[in-house]
Amino acid sequence: AQSVTQLDSHVSVSEGTPVLLRCNYSSSYSPSLFWYVQHPNKGLQLLLKYTSAATLVKGINGFEAEFKKSETSFHLTKPSAHMSDAAEYFCVNDMRFGAGTRLTVKP
Amino acid sequence: EPEVTQTPSHQVTQMGQEVILRCVPISNHLYFYWYRQILGQKVEFLVSFYNNEISEKSEIFDDQFSVERPDGSNFTLKIRSTKLEDSAMYFCASSGAGVISYNEQFFGPGTRLTVL
Repeated sequence: AQSVTQLDSHVSVSEGTPVLLRCNYSSSYSPSLFWYVQHPNKGLQLLLKYTSAATLVKGINGFEAEFKKSETSFHLTKPSAHMSDAAEYFCVNDMRFGAGTRLTVKP
Repeated sequence: EPEVTQTPSHQVTQMGQEVILRCVPISNHLYFYWYRQILGQKVEFLVSFYNNEISEKSEIFDDQFSVERPDGSNFTLKIRSTKLEDSAMYFCASSGAGVISYNEQFFGPGTRLTVL
């Protein structure tokens, strides 16, 4: 069965510092991995997806994620956080969502 | 840019009543989904639909739930007899043809269902 575990329920960073949101997956077959972002009172927007063409995936708004099969991980990173990045982030495997990580960005 | 739309944005109903949540997927998409998000909790998969039939459903999607594509554009979720615990945000999504695994799902803005 497909599943994901988001290792942090809440991450707080200062503006301009790197962001790391962690996700581990479990798959009985090749995973279909996505990261979505949900801003307050808004819908879900795709940040990036893993397609097996490349292990390092670049998404929108400067986000990227690296697929590591040996670690069953698909962590989301961004070199420099912006205030507008404050939101809830969901790692998704197939149609199964992780519990979400709330990112807070301090000025 | 094409988008998934959902109506109504907010539905209030009495316990035991039937509700129908409506979605208009992106026009050339072939796969349709319903998810729910109870306040403060994670997004939960309910059901996927392809070629006019359910392709997968979760344990949440019991006999109280049904889905239908009544015409070429709408995709509906019906809850037959609502319970208090059905109160949640319900998201519809659709995805296109091609390799299913890599298909991005486009989400609608959601319908907030409140059961009193």
